[in-house]
Amino acid sequence: QKEVEQDPGPLSVPEGAIVSLNCTYSNSAFQYFMWYRQYSRKGPELLMYTYSSGNKEDGRFTAQVDKSSKYISLFIRDSQPSDSATYLCAMNPSGGSYIPTFGRGTSLIVHP
Amino acid sequence: DTAVSQTPKYLVTQMGNDKSIKCEQNLGHDTMYWYKQDSKKFLKIMFSYNNKELIINETVPNRFSPKSPDKAHLNLHINSLELGDSAVYFCASSQERVYEQYFGPGTRLTVT
Repeated sequence: QKEVEQDPGPLSVPEGAIVSLNCTYSNSAFQYFMWYRQYSRKGPELLMYTYSSGNKEDGRFTAQVDKSSKYISLFIRDSQPSDSATYLCAMNPSGGSYIPTFGRGTSLIVHP
Repeated sequence: DTAVSQTPKYLVTQMGNDKSIKCEQNLGHDTMYWYKQDSKKFLKIMFSYNNKELIINETVPNRFSPKSPDKAHLNLHINSLELGDSAVYFCASSQERVYEQYFGPGTRLTVT
């Protein structure tokens, strides 16, 4: 079993839909949970990060962490065609010298 | 100004050659990274480096070596290139908070 599991998709939704992207993980030492967005032929860019459990909201994006279930989610409200990209989750045991473990990414397509 | 830059953007070379990819960051970060992204979009860390410590992913062949002339630069040197080395290589940097990484645009390496 990989440390971080993420469905590669593609996930295709109509414009305006609420999108739910998810990752599961096995390492209970993970404390920091990040979401990156990667457009085609570009480098990943950090969208949001959360520490431990709970929710965090930034505009149309909400990140949720459920450590008891080892499950994290990214919700996108009022999705736009410009949200079409690959979304990668990443996790880190601490903010120190550990290196993050990435999921393989979910490809999202928002069609007009 | 580009925060993290890489050169070249594309690199096509033959098996057995030696090549280097350059990375520069102007964010003042003290830690830099090299990642490999395969054809299935799986992003895997190769090295994490700052002026105190080099962390090597143990699965990386010793044909790959990071070289850092100064804090703002981390180059990747690859000896005896193999077909399986074909991938996109990303450089990234972060300050103390390793969960906030900034990625370069990537170098698409094709080995023929």
